[in-house]
Amino acid sequence: DAMVIQNPRYQVTQFGKPVTLSCSQTLNHNVMYWYQQKSSQAPKLLFHYYDKDFNNEADTPDNFQSRRPNTSFCFLDIRSPGLGDAAMYLCATSGGGGGGGQPQHFGDGTRLSIL
Amino acid sequence: AQSVTQPDIHITVSEGASLELRCNYSYGATPYLFWYVQSPGQGLQLLLKYFSGDTLVQGIKGFEAEFKRSQSSFNLRKPSVHWSDAAEYFCAVGPGYSSASKIIFGSGTRLSIRP
Repeated sequence: DAMVIQNPRYQVTQFGKPVTLSCSQTLNHNVMYWYQQKSSQAPKLLFHYYDKDFNNEADTPDNFQSRRPNTSFCFLDIRSPGLGDAAMYLCATSGGGGGGGQPQHFGDGTRLSIL
Repeated sequence: AQSVTQPDIHITVSEGASLELRCNYSYGATPYLFWYVQSPGQGLQLLLKYFSGDTLVQGIKGFEAEFKRSQSSFNLRKPSVHWSDAAEYFCAVGPGYSSASKIIFGSGTRLSIRP
């Protein structure tokens, strides 16, 4: 089945130690998103790629960066994780370009813990 | 300003009872409207979507939603809930014109099922 896969499901890192979360998709969608979701809150969009065009949300901290080497893969890099960055990180894709309204397809997320 | 309001933070219903989750939106143009469900520790799954046409939309898992333009509402309903429906439900709104479907999520409603 076509899907969005996030690895790892659980990630533990130390305060200040860089960490990378990965997302892959077999849907061949041209838009990929990264969200941060804290407990009992809605997902918060960090940034998205439309093909190779990177779009950062205005309030996304500089500590968060992303790479998309090809259509299938997208990475979230947290340069110096702080305790406040402990959260679930969700990757999503959509087939944008068709005039909007394309639903987003989500992976199961990576839960990041900071020691 | 664009926004989505889910006025109920937590709802508990008995198994077999009917369910209605409320969603109100504020959007300047014709929006796409979505309902997503999130089980604990998992990503979001699309239940249904509305853009135009019949204002009563059928989704997966026996859910339906009704769009009422005059009330700016898009309430989710199910005639008889099952224990497996216990989850977090998010209403979302997105543009009908954008090439990348950035969507705004409501804060979510947590559904508990009473045996």
